[in-house]
Formats: sequence, structure tokens, C-alpha cells
Amino acid sequence: GNSVTQMEGPVTLSEEAFLTINCTYTATGYPSLFWYVQYPGEGLQLLLKATKADDKGSNKGFEATYRKETTSFHLEKGSVQVSDSAVYFCALRIKAAGNKLTFGGGTRVLVKP
Amino acid sequence: SQTIHQWPATLVQPVGSPLSLECTVEGTSNPNLYWYRQAAGRGLQLLFYSVGIGQISSEVPQNLSASRPQDRQFILSSKKLLLSDSGFYLCAWSVQGSGETQYFGPGTRLLVL
Repeated sequence: GNSVTQMEGPVTLSEEAFLTINCTYTATGYPSLFWYVQYPGEGLQLLLKATKADDKGSNKGFEATYRKETTSFHLEKGSVQVSDSAVYFCALRIKAAGNKLTFGGGTRVLVKP
Repeated sequence: SQTIHQWPATLVQPVGSPLSLECTVEGTSNPNLYWYRQAAGRGLQLLFYSVGIGQISSEVPQNLSASRPQDRQFILSSKKLLLSDSGFYLCAWSVQGSGETQYFGPGTRLLVL
């Protein structure tokens, strides 16, 4: 079946630190990959996505590269801000399985000033 | 532009009572619709999805049911709530066919006592 594994949190950082959240996946087909972010008390928002191998998704200073050879989609940001404190979810979608998303367990990130 | 609404925002219900959560989408037609649950400290679990009026697919056996009486309305229900039904319920929509991105509502926080 399809599954997504993320590093467990919480991840606590100081402002301007480098952030990496690991995400690996298993899939029965060729997935599209996503990162969603959930700010405190809110629903999920799409942060970035990549639809084929070697694609790089980027948004708000975050980046993730679709690595088919390592089945990974690690999220990175060079200099985090307090406002980046949130829960980050990695997800995949197999087109043949409709538009259903399979989510990882989420990683809570706390950025301290 | 498209918007998605959920209500109520929060709900406290006694065990054994019924439940009805509503989700509506504006600004699009014939969307795919989804209900997810996020239990405390855990990831997202897809509960139901719908590709059209009256068409509901259940992902996991449970105490809940879903209905889609209108094109842009998706309702999550239960006849008798259990303690384990507590969680954060998220509705989402995506474009039919080739649409990959899912757009999430603000969520309903349900506490069953």
C-alpha cells in the first residue's frame, strides 16, 4: 500500500536556524508529493508540491525536492522565523487512486525567538 | 474565488448523543469532497470521500457516516457518539479529474465527554 513516514517532533529551533524535516514514502505507483502546514488552531494549507522526479517545490522560503531514487521529499528552510511554528504534514497522491491523499503523522515545529 | 466553510468551529457533546457537522464549498462546481479526522497528537486519517451527489466512499469502518445531499454540501454524522470520536475534523475539496491539490476548511474541534 501507500504510506508516508515523517520524523517525529517536536522540533524546537531558534530563530534564523536551519530547518529540515525528513519525509520518505512508499507507493504502488508514481506519486505526486505535497507538504501541508497547519498553523495553531487552523486547518491545513498547501505549502508546496512536486509532481515528478527531480522537481523542486518552493514557497515562503521552504523547499523540497522529489527524490525518486531515495523515495524522499525532505522539507528545508534556511532561516526560520517564529511565525513558522506549526505542524507540517508530508503527503502523497497516486493519480490512479483518485485524488485521495495519504498523509504522514505530522511534525510539530516550534521556533523560539 | 473558491471558499470552504465548516461549522460549528467547536463542539462539546456527551457520549451517546448524535452528531452533524456541515461543510460547504463556494465558487466551484462538482468538486471532490473529503472528510478527515485528526486525533490529538496524531496525523490525518481520511474518513470519507465523495465524487458526486449521493456518492460516498468510506475509508475506515467506524461509528460515523457521511452524506452529500447537494453538489457542494458534505455532512458528517453519527447516531451515537463515542469517546473515541473526539478529534479535529477537517473537510477538504479538490477539482474533479486532474485536480491534485486539496483545499482544506478551518476544521471543527469535537470533544466527546
